[in-house]
Amino acid sequence: DAGVTQSPTHLIKTRGQQVTLRCSPKSGHDTVSWYQQALGQGPQFIFQYYEEEERQRGNFPDRFSGHQFPNYSSELNVNALLLGDSALYLCASSPRGLGATEAFFGQGTRLTVV
Amino acid sequence: KNQVEQSPQSLIILEGKNCTLQCNYTVSPFSNLRWYKQDTGRGPVSLTIMTFSENTKSNGRYTATLDADTKQSSLHITASQLSDSASYICVVSANTGGFKTIFGAGTRLFVKA
Repeated sequence: DAGVTQSPTHLIKTRGQQVTLRCSPKSGHDTVSWYQQALGQGPQFIFQYYEEEERQRGNFPDRFSGHQFPNYSSELNVNALLLGDSALYLCASSPRGLGATEAFFGQGTRLTVV
Repeated sequence: KNQVEQSPQSLIILEGKNCTLQCNYTVSPFSNLRWYKQDTGRGPVSLTIMTFSENTKSNGRYTATLDADTKQSSLHITASQLSDSASYICVVSANTGGFKTIFGAGTRLFVKA
């Protein structure tokens, strides 16, 4: 049973570019949440997807957008990259939609913006 | 404002010693509290999860406590090992009609031989 998988594991982009990160949830999970973790900080909630819709959103600008597919996998898109977007991006999946008490994290995608 | 504060920010202990990490929260209405272990550059891994009615939960050498009245939790690590070196993150969820999860900044633990 595969856990949460994220791709790519590492990525280097230039300021102003756009990036797409991908996440496949754990088998049986239908909810995907995305987090940004700066070095030395705890993860910050970006948004959560359930039933292919954005259900909750953290304090992130519209440059951050996402999508969930019918197979529950998800993408995080970031436009007009800034140096400050450099971080570890974590995807977490959970079962039973909103209100689930357990979340499993992927290994993360390390994004570096130069 | 919903917040989760952890202390200490970092901690160095000798292998074999015990240690306790603290988590204070103001998240409301409380749903559950989780402790995660995060190795550098990796995703967090769940250690324990506690709901309002639980005041202690163990997972091997890790024991978490919860005092919902004072809104405090602790994670006690017994007989530390070098592999315990990691960040330990306290995560509190609120059931606000939607579902809100607040992460602490973490405690960075270094276990030395």
